[in-house]
Amino acid sequence: DIVMTQSPDSLAVSLGERATINCKSSQSVLYRSNNKNYLAWYQQKPGQPPKLLIYWASTRESGVPDRFSGSGSGTDFTLTISSLQAEDVAVYYCQQYYSTLPITFGQGTRLEIK
Amino acid sequence: EVQLVESGGGLVQPGGSLRLSCAASGFTFSSDVMNWVRQAPGKGLEWVSGISVSGGSTYYADSVKGRFTISRDSPENTLYLQMNSLRAEDTAVYYCAKGVGGIYYFDLWGRGTLVTVSS
Repeated sequence: DIVMTQSPDSLAVSLGERATINCKSSQSVLYRSNNKNYLAWYQQKPGQPPKLLIYWASTRESGVPDRFSGSGSGTDFTLTISSLQAEDVAVYYCQQYYSTLPITFGQGTRLEIK
Repeated sequence: EVQLVESGGGLVQPGGSLRLSCAASGFTFSSDVMNWVRQAPGKGLEWVSGISVSGGSTYYADSVKGRFTISRDSPENTLYLQMNSLRAEDTAVYYCAKGVGGIYYFDLWGRGTLVTVSS
């Protein structure tokens, strides 16, 4: 199994400041034949299902504010919120889809307002 | 409206069975892989099972292999999860999640259905 490890487990950031969440995979999720990283990011607010933010490690889903960005390649990835807004309080998950046996998520990072 | 609506959850005794359904609308159901993802109370996301566009390939987490069966009825735009030999640790909200074509990232999620396994 590809193990996904996020850091930190929780994070408190002031409004308007930058928030950075890291995700590390136990093996590369870069598929060399198409040079794509099979890595997605989700946001989950309390009482709601997850929402797709980023796929292919850095492609923003339609309708997602441009303050959200994804970067990284191979085994190390980052989700950055450039200027934290109150509505960004949530738990964030990374997910690898390089291997379907099984598909795996990170443990989640809880983002709060400082 | 593009949506997924799960049903079939409830309270079941250990060793019992449940069948979850996920009704899809607003998109071409037969064009995308489909999945079940669960979330135990206060815990993170756990992928449970996935099924290919044709339904010919199915995938399971080790924790449910041999007990759960995923299937899809494309004419009816419905995804199913048959859950047998349920255990307390299967207690969770079960989400239906849509992939993108044959790719297993999930761009549409249902609101979930709660399964509680308890005596």
